[in-house]
Amino acid sequence: AQSVTQLGSHVSVSEGALVLLRCNYSSSVPPYLFWYVQYPNQGLQLLLKYTSAATLVKGINGFEAEFKKSETSFHLTKPSAHMSDAAEYFCAVSDPSGNTPLVFGKGTRLSVIA
Amino acid sequence: ETGVTQTPRHLVMGMTNKKSLKCEQHLGHNAMYWYKQSAKKPLELMFVYNFKEQTENNSVPSRFSPECPNSSHLFLHLHTLQPEDSALYLCASSQNAGSNGYTFGSGTRLTVV
Repeated sequence: AQSVTQLGSHVSVSEGALVLLRCNYSSSVPPYLFWYVQYPNQGLQLLLKYTSAATLVKGINGFEAEFKKSETSFHLTKPSAHMSDAAEYFCAVSDPSGNTPLVFGKGTRLSVIA
Repeated sequence: ETGVTQTPRHLVMGMTNKKSLKCEQHLGHNAMYWYKQSAKKPLELMFVYNFKEQTENNSVPSRFSPECPNSSHLFLHLHTLQPEDSALYLCASSQNAGSNGYTFGSGTRLTVV
């Protein structure tokens, strides 16, 4: 069975500050991992994904995430927050065999303060 | 344009009404999903269709009835809903059950009065 834990339901940062959103996973097989972003009243949009290639993955809007097997983590970072980054962020894990649906975390709401 | 289109974007219905939500994808994906997203609750997977066959039904009440006539279209038929069914309903599609992630639609905001 797979699961995802997102630490912190709400994170607040100042504009220009580092963004760090935490995700830890549990998986019995080498996982694929994803980060999605959701703006108000919109669907989820894929930010980036790890599919067993490079452990440091770069995504859209300046975000990146690093897969750390020893820590079972896939934290999302951005060096400098913009007001437009304020949204809900979801981490998700999948079984590469494709036999089970994606498992999503509960989400972290990011607020950016001017 | 996300490749997954949901209609309508907003829907208000009474508890005795019957309505349907529609989802359409032109990405060539073979799996489609319905999710419910309520305020301050995690995403809830409702139904999964692989190659038009329903493969998962997560204890969803019978007042929600899915239909997948082909691999590009997915419907969610609604009848005698309750106010607690008010939520954002999201459709998603994927190739090979999600090993490369899902593509989501913009959702239908449903309000039951």
